[in-house]
Amino acid sequence: EAQVTQNPRYLITVTGKKLTVTCSQNMNHEYMSWYRQDPGLGLRQIYYSMNVEVTDKGDVPEGYKVSRKEKRNFPLILESPSPNQTSLYFCASSPLATDTQYFGPGTRLTVL
Amino acid sequence: EDQVTQSPEALRLQEGESSSLNCSYTVSGLRGLFWYRQDPGKGPEFLFTLYSAGEEKEKERLKATLTKKESFLHITAPKPEDSATYLCAAHTDKLIFGTGTRLQVFP
Repeated sequence: EAQVTQNPRYLITVTGKKLTVTCSQNMNHEYMSWYRQDPGLGLRQIYYSMNVEVTDKGDVPEGYKVSRKEKRNFPLILESPSPNQTSLYFCASSPLATDTQYFGPGTRLTVL
Repeated sequence: EDQVTQSPEALRLQEGESSSLNCSYTVSGLRGLFWYRQDPGKGPEFLFTLYSAGEEKEKERLKATLTKKESFLHITAPKPEDSATYLCAAHTDKLIFGTGTRLQVFP
């Protein structure tokens, strides 16, 4: 089944404790992206990747890092999480940047 | 500044009561207008892409239309299972999302 998977689905952590949210797609898509969703603000792009080893900042990149060493994986790294990063995070992928993006199931992160 | 605005924020309909959701956009270089459906606790699910003014697409009880300034998602004779948040997004060099319309359809 073609899909985007994210792990973990739920995470509660404390300020400053480094964490990684994994994202994997099995559709051989070149484009991958991370979003956060907050009430009243909609989905906002954090980082995106046009292809392996090519990443770029979205609208809200502060406090996040990404890497794209393999085509299928695009992990999101929070090196020192803070409470304002409490949010619902979605990974998405598409064949190319201009194509329809398909979203993962989401990761709900709470930073205490 | 590129912007996408959806209205209403919330909509309650009785089963069978048709209505429309609005997505107005102010962007430069629109490449496409996307509609997604999002159920609580889940990722957005793709519905439609519209590329040019005058284009229409249909899927079951949903029909999406596009003008030069806005898009509409028409829901004909909705059922309770149509209850969800509907998101629109304008594609320029990135996806710019609206904040969504939360639709509730009650029996």
